[in-house]
Amino acid sequence: DAKTTQPPSMDCAEGRAANLPCNHSTISGNEYVYWYRQIHSQGPQYIIHGLKNNETNEMASLIITEDRKSSTLILPHATLRDTAVYYCIVRVAGGTSYGKLTFGQGTILTVHP
Amino acid sequence: DTAVSQTPKYLVTQMGNDKSIKCEQNLGHDTMYWYKQDSKKFLKIMFSYNNKELIINETVPNRFSPKSPDKAHLNLHINSLELGDSAVYFCASSQQDSGTQYFGPGTRLLVL
Repeated sequence: DAKTTQPPSMDCAEGRAANLPCNHSTISGNEYVYWYRQIHSQGPQYIIHGLKNNETNEMASLIITEDRKSSTLILPHATLRDTAVYYCIVRVAGGTSYGKLTFGQGTILTVHP
Repeated sequence: DTAVSQTPKYLVTQMGNDKSIKCEQNLGHDTMYWYKQDSKKFLKIMFSYNNKELIINETVPNRFSPKSPDKAHLNLHINSLELGDSAVYFCASSQQDSGTQYFGPGTRLLVL
């Protein structure tokens, strides 16, 4: 699985959009980009994933650049409850890495009142 | 309706003891996992099971023995506990080889 690079921490004002970047310059054509978050003392929570098209669900939007070397997770209206560690994960389905998610250090997002 | 549940939530024990952690999912998934999160918050996969069969064993010491009695359950038994086993253990499940996984609340293990 390709390596990802995320900023260690970010701040965001409550009610504003939080834009979390992720670099994955060595991503291959069949690798998906996944985002998870971990709120303090809880299990990781799936947010969204995509291959090359932009994706949106009830939690967030995922913007993947045309060359697929980076992506941005957007929380459109951040709340205090969005304070968490956000993980960007790149993985390919199948093979010897069946189901495996490789978590990096992630970005600590702090949402301020 | 808890999708993935783990018991116990907290476990404090002495070095050398044997302990088990249980995991159950009611999502109808056929794949389950154990992850370990150490004191530095680094989260790493330990095992994955598909339809009760072991798929991934990430070079975990053989003191750790997962058991899957059925698709909805994956238990983790740890023999001869060591100080370094202190961590939070998360169970997760998915449908087949999906990156969309649902995690339990974690079991906080402290070995004294």
